[in-house]
Amino acid sequence: GAVVSQHPSWVICKSGTSVKIECRSLDFQATTMFWYRQFPKQSLMLMATSNEGSKATYEQGVEKDKFLINHASLTLSTLTVTSAHPEDSSFYICSARETGQAGEKLFFGSGTQLSVL
Amino acid sequence: AQSVTQPDIHITVSEGASLELRCNYSYGATPYLFWYVQSPGQGLQLLLKYFSGDTLVQGIKGFEAEFKRSQSSFNLRKPSVHWSDAAEYFCAVGLYNFNKFYFGSGTKLNVKP
Repeated sequence: GAVVSQHPSWVICKSGTSVKIECRSLDFQATTMFWYRQFPKQSLMLMATSNEGSKATYEQGVEKDKFLINHASLTLSTLTVTSAHPEDSSFYICSARETGQAGEKLFFGSGTQLSVL
Repeated sequence: AQSVTQPDIHITVSEGASLELRCNYSYGATPYLFWYVQSPGQGLQLLLKYFSGDTLVQGIKGFEAEFKRSQSSFNLRKPSVHWSDAAEYFCAVGLYNFNKFYFGSGTKLNVKP
């Protein structure tokens, strides 16, 4: 089946630095990818919808200058947490949409645990 | 407002007992409906999904869910719970061919021996 690779799976960084998270669709082209954030013991909150070749659509309350999303190719979307602070520590998950003869499908990455010191 | 509601934050059942996790959605049209399971520190695993057709859908690990349009519900069931089912379960809805995809707040399942 289709696979979405998310990297890194775990990252620790100092406050004020930027962290880039990659989401790759390994065997299909994904025109749309989603980025989620999950706080401990909470649900996944949709942060933004990333469309290949265009600007991401951010959900209300998500700082677009803080969470930079780039979807430069049909197999790669990146989320960059800029000037990270401890409150940005969270579990980030991406998903990619596959459009095929069987219809629309959505596949999830394994997540990235970000810890900001 | 559009929403996905899982009213039970935390459920404890005995091993071997039956299980039902509730999910209600509030959208104008019938969305695509999903149940995912997340083990601690892990990503998401799809249990089952409903797009159309038979309203009772079978998933992996012995789970099933029933879509009830009149109640805007998509409850997850399992006739006999195993200790390995302890995890957090998320109901999710996809709109407009996945132009949007939202999760419920999750239900944490504990299984007593």
